[in-house]
Amino acid sequence: DAKTTQPPSMDCAEGRAANLPCNHSTISGNEYVYWYRQIHSQGPQYIIHGLKNNETNEMASLIITEDRKSSTLILPHATLRDTAVYYCIVRVTNAGKSTFGDGTTLTVKP
Amino acid sequence: DAGVIQSPRHEVTEMGQEVTLRCKPISGHDYLFWYRQTMMRGLELLIYFNNNVPIDDSGMPEDRFSAKMPNASFSTLKIQPSEPRDSAVYFCASSLSAGRHEQYFGPGTRLTVT
Repeated sequence: DAKTTQPPSMDCAEGRAANLPCNHSTISGNEYVYWYRQIHSQGPQYIIHGLKNNETNEMASLIITEDRKSSTLILPHATLRDTAVYYCIVRVTNAGKSTFGDGTTLTVKP
Repeated sequence: DAGVIQSPRHEVTEMGQEVTLRCKPISGHDYLFWYRQTMMRGLELLIYFNNNVPIDDSGMPEDRFSAKMPNASFSTLKIQPSEPRDSAVYFCASSLSAGRHEQYFGPGTRLTVT
């Protein structure tokens, strides 16, 4: 599975959009991009995934560059409850061995 | 649905003792995953099952670790004998199928080995 690179931390003002980047320059053609988040002391929570096209659900939007070497998770209106560690993972399917990495700690401030 | 259920939530044991962690996946899910999270190594996949059969156990750290899934609604992760370096949070997750992409995680078991 391809490795990912994320900034260790980011801040965002409450009510503003949070844009979390992820680099995955060695991604293979059949690998998906997944995003999970982990709120302190809880289990990780699935957010969204994509292969090539941009995706949107009730939680977030995922923008994948045309060359698929990077992506951005967008939380359109961040709230204090969005403060968490956000993990970007690339792998072929939802099963299989993978490492979540260090992720990005997003702090939403009032 | 109650979500993925793990027990116990906290376990403190002495080095050398046997530890058994338990997981009940979401009903109808046919994939089950065991993860370990530490500050040093992050969140690591230890083993996963499909339809109660272990598919990949290459993440299991050593022979002291074993996992079983006797039926679709129950799995155990056993450490025997336990060591202080096994202290971590252990998560269980389940997924509906490989065709679906969401893994649902349980609340975790915080294990402390003294």
